[in-house]
Amino acid sequence: EAGVTQSPTHLIKTRGQQATLRCSPISGHTSVYWYQQALGLGLQFLLWYDEGEERNRGNFPPRFSGRQFPNYSSELNVNALELEDSALYLCASSLGQKNTEAFFGQGTRLTVV
Amino acid sequence: GNSVTQMEGPVTLSEEAFLTINCTYTATGYPSLFWYVQYPGEGLQLLLKATKADDKGSNKGFEATYRKETTSFHLEKGSVQVSDSAVYFCALSDHPGGGNKLTFGTGTQLKVEL
Repeated sequence: EAGVTQSPTHLIKTRGQQATLRCSPISGHTSVYWYQQALGLGLQFLLWYDEGEERNRGNFPPRFSGRQFPNYSSELNVNALELEDSALYLCASSLGQKNTEAFFGQGTRLTVV
Repeated sequence: GNSVTQMEGPVTLSEEAFLTINCTYTATGYPSLFWYVQYPGEGLQLLLKATKADDKGSNKGFEATYRKETTSFHLEKGSVQVSDSAVYFCALSDHPGGGNKLTFGTGTQLKVEL
């Protein structure tokens, strides 16, 4: 069974551009989470989607947005990129709101130059 | 709000040494507690978990016990191997059943040498 898959693996963008990151959860999982792992800042919660709805949002500006599709895959969009957005973006999925275990993908390394 | 505090790293040990990585937490409710491991260049893998007080999570020789009285979830292993070299993250989830967001500690890098 395939795990959580993220694409692309690496992404290089210029300041001011937009970045789109994609995540496919484990088959049957309805919840998708996004985290940012920036150097020196640890893992920060970004967004949580379940059954197509945004359920929770971390302390990030509105230029970080996303959505979840009917097949439960998810997209994270970052607009007006800033240098400090350079980080590893991790996606995780779980069976649903009440499940205790989240499975993580390998991440997308976003570099803003 | 919720928070997780881990001991600073890096921790450098010789192979077969005993490992302890301290983790304490602050939460308003009754969180589930987790240890995740991140090997170089990879994402996070769940190492073990505990969902209620006095539960002991264990996996691959690692153990951690949910201590509500001391709000701690320290990670231990009796004999580390070079292959255990990685970054270890303590985390909590305060949603009933743990399906909500995870709050992570800053991570502790472990280096095991021959």
